[in-house]
Amino acid sequence: DSGVTQTPKHLITATGQRVTLRCSPRSGDLSVYWYQQSLDQGLQFLIQYYNGEERAKGNILERFSAQQFPDLHSELNLSSLELGDSALYFCASSVARTGGNNEQFFGPGTRLTVL
Amino acid sequence: GENVEQHPSTLSVQEGDSAVIKCTYSDSASNYFPWYKQELGKGPQLIIDIRSNVGEKKDQRIAVTLNKTAKHFSLHITETQPEDSAVYFCAANRITALIFGKGTTLSVSS
Repeated sequence: DSGVTQTPKHLITATGQRVTLRCSPRSGDLSVYWYQQSLDQGLQFLIQYYNGEERAKGNILERFSAQQFPDLHSELNLSSLELGDSALYFCASSVARTGGNNEQFFGPGTRLTVL
Repeated sequence: GENVEQHPSTLSVQEGDSAVIKCTYSDSASNYFPWYKQELGKGPQLIIDIRSNVGEKKDQRIAVTLNKTAKHFSLHITETQPEDSAVYFCAANRITALIFGKGTTLSVSS
């Protein structure tokens, strides 16, 4: 158990809908990262927040957005969902501001299915 | 940007054999190289990492080597056990993000 929690575990929705994925980082970690894992693209970095502020962006679509709250939990909002958005979404956390050279600990993921 | 290539995509070994997974990276500025193990239905778990000022690191049955000149790094698992069966991912850092390889599915048969 990494100490990172994610809810819900599974989410099934229809095209065009909007969903929110939630993540709580490990105790003491200030950085939260979101990743998308699909069969064809592998693990893709989406976005990082550090202590409430956006720190870095990766391959995140404009239809997706995220935020980190004062209690450090984070939410990933996915809107106007398409079939191709079906994937596993992982949250990771680390203690440091610069995520590229520090250990990142992953949560169990949310499996999103868009029908 | 950084690109990480990982080989092989699948690897089957007998229990007790060694397994080696290799990765290459493109950005010479990368200086942190973690390896993750992902079991079915779970998130990736950090198993070992290496920084660019070190050539080799060991932790019990697993070891990682890094060749900065050639821009490649490898994961070595010795005395494999059935519980080592999983998908393994290498990664390299690019500024604030980790760039992952496509993964290697390791199957250890008893």
